[in-house]
Amino acid sequence: NAGVTQTPKFRILKIGQSMTLQCAQDMNHNYMYWYRQDPGMGLKLIYYSVGAGITDKGEVPNGYNVSRSTTEDFPLRLELAAPSQTSVYFCASSRTGSNYGYTFGSGTRLTVV
Amino acid sequence: SQKIEQNSEALNIQEGKTATLTCNYTNYSPAYLQWYRQDPGRGPVFLLLIRENEKEKRKERLKVTFDTTLKQSLFHITASQPADSATYLCALAGGTFGGGADGLTFGKGTHLIIQP
Repeated sequence: NAGVTQTPKFRILKIGQSMTLQCAQDMNHNYMYWYRQDPGMGLKLIYYSVGAGITDKGEVPNGYNVSRSTTEDFPLRLELAAPSQTSVYFCASSRTGSNYGYTFGSGTRLTVV
Repeated sequence: SQKIEQNSEALNIQEGKTATLTCNYTNYSPAYLQWYRQDPGRGPVFLLLIRENEKEKRKERLKVTFDTTLKQSLFHITASQPADSATYLCALAGGTFGGGADGLTFGKGTHLIIQP
């Protein structure tokens, strides 16, 4: 099925470890986004990309990095994990931004202990 | 500062009635407003988009209104069913942290419960 695929679905990290959250879409969407969602809070934008080779910071970028080498993939890198990064992470894509609906992945639930 | 407000308390509606959810915003001039549905443990699913020059949009049992003067959107589900129970998110285009001029900023969502 076409859509946004996120891996892994669950992960437990120890403080100071690093990991990459994978996101891939097969809809040829130019725009891709990473959000985090904490309980009772809205989705907060971490990073976004408007096309391959172009990325920019969102509202909460500290502690994260991204790259966009292809249209399909938009991995999110956590270096030196901290308990404050415990959250559910969602990747999304859209054709050309907010004039089209976003397609979200099923999320990655990350716990940092 | 920019704010999007949705009723944080759960909304309980009897099956068959119309559910109405509210999204208010301040310090925004959004070109688009979107509504999403989110089920527990799942990613949000896009429902409807309405443009600033549109007053109303419909899709099956769903209706969205957008009043840029009141800075408010209303989301209606008619003939509600228990399967409509979920959290509904309002999202506005633009804003400081929406991902550039074309990005979306999300409200916290309203939890809707349709009781049989």
